[in-house]
Amino acid sequence: EVQLVESGGGLVQPGGSLRLSCAASGFTFSSYWMSWVRQAPGKGLEWVANIKQDGSEKYYVDSVKGRFTISRDNAKNSLYLQMNSLRAEDTAVYYCAGGRWFDPWGQGTLVTVSS
Amino acid sequence: EIVLTQSPATLSLSPGERATLSCRASQSVSSYLAWYQQKPGQAPRLLIYDASNRATGIPARFSGSGSGTDFTLTISSLEPEDFAVYYCQQRSNWPPKWTFGQGTKVEIK
Repeated sequence: EVQLVESGGGLVQPGGSLRLSCAASGFTFSSYWMSWVRQAPGKGLEWVANIKQDGSEKYYVDSVKGRFTISRDNAKNSLYLQMNSLRAEDTAVYYCAGGRWFDPWGQGTLVTVSS
Repeated sequence: EIVLTQSPATLSLSPGERATLSCRASQSVSSYLAWYQQKPGQAPRLLIYDASNRATGIPARFSGSGSGTDFTLTISSLEPEDFAVYYCQQRSNWPPKWTFGQGTKVEIK
């Protein structure tokens, strides 16, 4: 069964850091572009970042450049998002997704930035 | 930056009716457009990619069309499980960015 499982979300104060993880199974992780997508409460979807199969290319939405870092470990079938200098507007459910078109998706992990 | 505008914001229809959702890009995206369905409390699901190709396991009642700046998602006959929010998404080659439209909610009339 194809599966993506995110973890690492939680409550963090403004200016704090958090590292999200996404564990993949049931498909050849190393063959897929991987992405992070977020959804603020009651809002639409926003692409955050993605990374090429070998990690040689990484792209970010402008609002997180310099604060977030996407990475992957193909040996562990895992994707990561290091989030620094967090702001209230980063509050959202964060999904990992595979492929150049986003399929499959994980179930999401909630990040809340609040004092 | 390419902006995707979806219309209408909300579509009120009855089961069995045809749904037509629109997505307009601020500049040409060729056929680099996808459609996703999202139900409350669930992750999105890929329906259509490259404007007109159904993803694996997607029923034939879902179809996509268009190229350039104007795209349409059609649900030929709404089933109860189709009431959800639908998003279009584009990917641009350079700079490499992926953007979503704001969504269309298909609700039961």
